[in-house]
Amino acid sequence: DTGVSQNPRHKITKRGQNVTFRCDPISEHNRLYWYRQTLGQGPEFLTYFQNEAQLEKSRLLSDRFSAERPKGSFSTLEIQRTEQGDSAMYLCASSPRGGAWSTYEQYFGPGTRLTVT
Amino acid sequence: KQEVTQIPAALSVPEGENLVLNCSFTDSAIYNLQWFRQDPGKGLTSLLLIQSSQREQTSGRLNASLDKSSGRSTLYIAASQPGDSATYLCAALNSGYSTLTFGKGTMLLVSP
Repeated sequence: DTGVSQNPRHKITKRGQNVTFRCDPISEHNRLYWYRQTLGQGPEFLTYFQNEAQLEKSRLLSDRFSAERPKGSFSTLEIQRTEQGDSAMYLCASSPRGGAWSTYEQYFGPGTRLTVT
Repeated sequence: KQEVTQIPAALSVPEGENLVLNCSFTDSAIYNLQWFRQDPGKGLTSLLLIQSSQREQTSGRLNASLDKSSGRSTLYIAASQPGDSATYLCAALNSGYSTLTFGKGTMLLVSP
């Protein structure tokens, strides 16, 4: 399977605990994105990496959130001191290297559903 | 700040009908527009991508159009089937190639 993969698929945690999610992009894609989706809403952009560099962060990404992509391959998203408002689906996407003819099409993974109790 | 609106929020049709889903965006400086399908509790599946220089794209029973100047896109589904039941999302990619801004989606139910 050469699609975007995310682990775990589901995570239930208690308020105040830390959680970490992993995203493995399509192997030849150098761009990686994180989005958050709450019930009844469209996904909202959180952050974007080109290779290992984090180039853009949304104001939604509070200081309790941190994302890394240490070797320009997989990425992790950590949420510290989780709150009930963090309950959502966290989606990862990747896209190929940019260029004059690139469509920058984003391919999404299955998501990690977080429930904070 | 880009805002994307989708109308209607929900749509219920009998099998076989042709239907149109609407998407509007406030900032016409987009690089492309993507239409996605999302089944309950699942990730997003890309259906069609229209570059800003294009007017439409077709895939099977799906046809998407883009009018950048008016800030509108439509997704046309021909001969709808129960398997088409899902939420359809449109998203505009900013000119910096980084951020997709999504609408809230149209929830489609096709009954046999």
